[in-house]
Amino acid sequence: KNQVEQSPQSLIILEGKNCTLQCNYTVSPFSNLRWYKQDTGRGPVSLTIMTFSENTKSNGRYTATLDADTKQSSLHITASQLSDSASYICVVSANSNYQLIWGAGTKLIIKP
Amino acid sequence: DSGVTQTPKHLITATGQRVTLRCSPRSGDLSVYWYQQSLDQGLQFLIQYYNGEERAKGNILERFSAQQFPDLHSELNLSSLELGDSALYFCASSARDRVAEQYFGPGTRLTVT
Repeated sequence: KNQVEQSPQSLIILEGKNCTLQCNYTVSPFSNLRWYKQDTGRGPVSLTIMTFSENTKSNGRYTATLDADTKQSSLHITASQLSDSASYICVVSANSNYQLIWGAGTKLIIKP
Repeated sequence: DSGVTQTPKHLITATGQRVTLRCSPRSGDLSVYWYQQSLDQGLQFLIQYYNGEERAKGNILERFSAQQFPDLHSELNLSSLELGDSALYFCASSARDRVAEQYFGPGTRLTVT
């Protein structure tokens, strides 16, 4: 069964600190993996999209990694800011169909 | 601003009623996706249309239906509403199937009383 699991479920860190969010998937055959940021009550916004051949991708202070062998991805946030408080969602696309498999998300809270 | 518009922003209705949510995709995007997000829950994929045709179905109830019109806007119809249907409903659009970036609208918040 195609699944995407994220950890931790929630995370609280102090402003300025770094953090890493994890995503494990069992989607096959794999097409691409995306990380989205969702502010409360708003639509998700794409941070990165990675295909099988890409193992790291950056978007400002966000860096995503992908290990297609172990089927794991991480999202590293550097020098966190209060505006980083949001849910971060890992989404995996399978080659075999048109659907995206959404993780439940990690709720990140940045405290001053 | 993603370029995807959704109306209305808020909708309050009673159990048993029927409502229609509307979505206009970004200019040039052919695919439209509908998602449901209940309070403090993850996004649940409902249905996808591509250039007017249904392309993929997720966890969409039989009481719900959708369509995409020739001008590419889409409508999600929810009928026989129940309290549990209260949620944020998001529409997203993308230029192509599968691998393309999805752009999300601001959502419609539905409250069923």
